[in-house]
Amino acid sequence: DTEVTQTPKHLVMGMTNKKSLKCEQHMGHRAMYWYKQKAKKPPELMFVYSYEKLSINESVPSRFSPECPNSSLLNLHLHALQPEDSALYLCASSQLGGRDTIYFGEGSWLTVV
Amino acid sequence: SQQGEEDPQALSIQEGENATMNCSYKTSINNLQWYRQNSGRGLVHLILIRSNEREKHSGRLRVTLDTSKKSSSLLITASRAADTASYFCATPHGGSGGSNYKLTFGKGTLLTVNP
Repeated sequence: DTEVTQTPKHLVMGMTNKKSLKCEQHMGHRAMYWYKQKAKKPPELMFVYSYEKLSINESVPSRFSPECPNSSLLNLHLHALQPEDSALYLCASSQLGGRDTIYFGEGSWLTVV
Repeated sequence: SQQGEEDPQALSIQEGENATMNCSYKTSINNLQWYRQNSGRGLVHLILIRSNEREKHSGRLRVTLDTSKKSSSLLITASRAADTASYFCATPHGGSGGSNYKLTFGKGTLLTVNP
């Protein structure tokens, strides 16, 4: 089972709202990732968690707050977002960092109004 | 700057034809991964080829890697309309202890297979 599950699939939120994106994997992977993808662009790395600890933060604005409650779950808390934050947010996981296959979920489409 | 760059940016072919996409990268790599993305969907992993491998097959897919030229190619044989998608190469790098956590994507090739 090589599946990364993301919820919700679509989210519309106002600029003053607080919402969360959720990601789950049951492959026993120790690394989990958040990527952001704008239309017609490649995905860009936001955060990496390794063994439930934040390993990489690619200078992402603080209005995006990641959380890794346990080895299977990864959340992305959203607050005071801007319309330009509208994008596809992809979660991924891997066993050995980039030395192994990195598996992606279907993504969460976020629209900020 | 992008670690990987795909060529061509867009490719349109007829069903049954072969499609070849190329990827160039800049720094030494541990492996190179190819992904497919249907419009508005997530990324599907196709093939991982390691730096000590020259060629790898998976069904109708063939990937080659030339580390001396820092380039890779993805060949899809006997294409089908369902192969219509964007194809990305990606290379892992960075992170502490050689973890290579940062997967950097090329700009992608948009493949259209016409019935």
